[in-house]
Amino acid sequence: RKEVEQDPGPFNVPEGATVAFNCTYSNSASQSFFWYRQDCRKEPKLLMSVYSSGNEDGRFTAQLNRASQYISLLIRDSKLSDSATYLCVVNEDRGSTLGRLYFGRGTQLTVWP
Amino acid sequence: EPEVTQTPSHQVTQMGQEVILRCVPISNHLYFYWYRQILGQKVEFLVSFYNNEISEKSEIFDDQFSVERPDGSNFTLKIRSTKLEDSAMYFCASLDRGSNQPQHFGDGTRLSIL
Repeated sequence: RKEVEQDPGPFNVPEGATVAFNCTYSNSASQSFFWYRQDCRKEPKLLMSVYSSGNEDGRFTAQLNRASQYISLLIRDSKLSDSATYLCVVNEDRGSTLGRLYFGRGTQLTVWP
Repeated sequence: EPEVTQTPSHQVTQMGQEVILRCVPISNHLYFYWYRQILGQKVEFLVSFYNNEISEKSEIFDDQFSVERPDGSNFTLKIRSTKLEDSAMYFCASLDRGSNQPQHFGDGTRLSIL
């Protein structure tokens, strides 16, 4: 069974804190990896793609460990606006994202002032 | 930035009735998808569509579901004889051909079955 597993949280952190989310996926054929964020009752929105060498986008850093089938997201200097549910998303098609996406259940983050 | 748009934003329907959910994908995109999210649960794939036919469907997408792109613009999901358990958010997504970018999601239709 193809699964994407995440710690559901919730994570409650003060502004300025650093917080890390983890995700594991069960299908070793997975090829593309993403973090999406979802605000309450809204659509998933791409936060960042995750590349094999790891990548950073401002305060956000994503890491991928294919051997362990593990993905992480680090948020530094948390802002109130970072409060959302963070979705780990995996796609299995080689070199493209044309196939279905597999979503984790999401990790809920609340940043408080 | 181009967007995927969905209508209606909220649909309330009696159990057993048919519903049609509509999506207008981003104009130059060629791959289209429907996902659903039951309240409190994860987003689940329903179906993908390319070149006027279904590319892939999940086990959820049974005979009560159908999709079509009748006019080259709208991409619709029809649910025949709705059940209470069909209540969910339904998200449409689209993707450019050959793109290595993630799918772009619409803001969803909330379907409530009474």
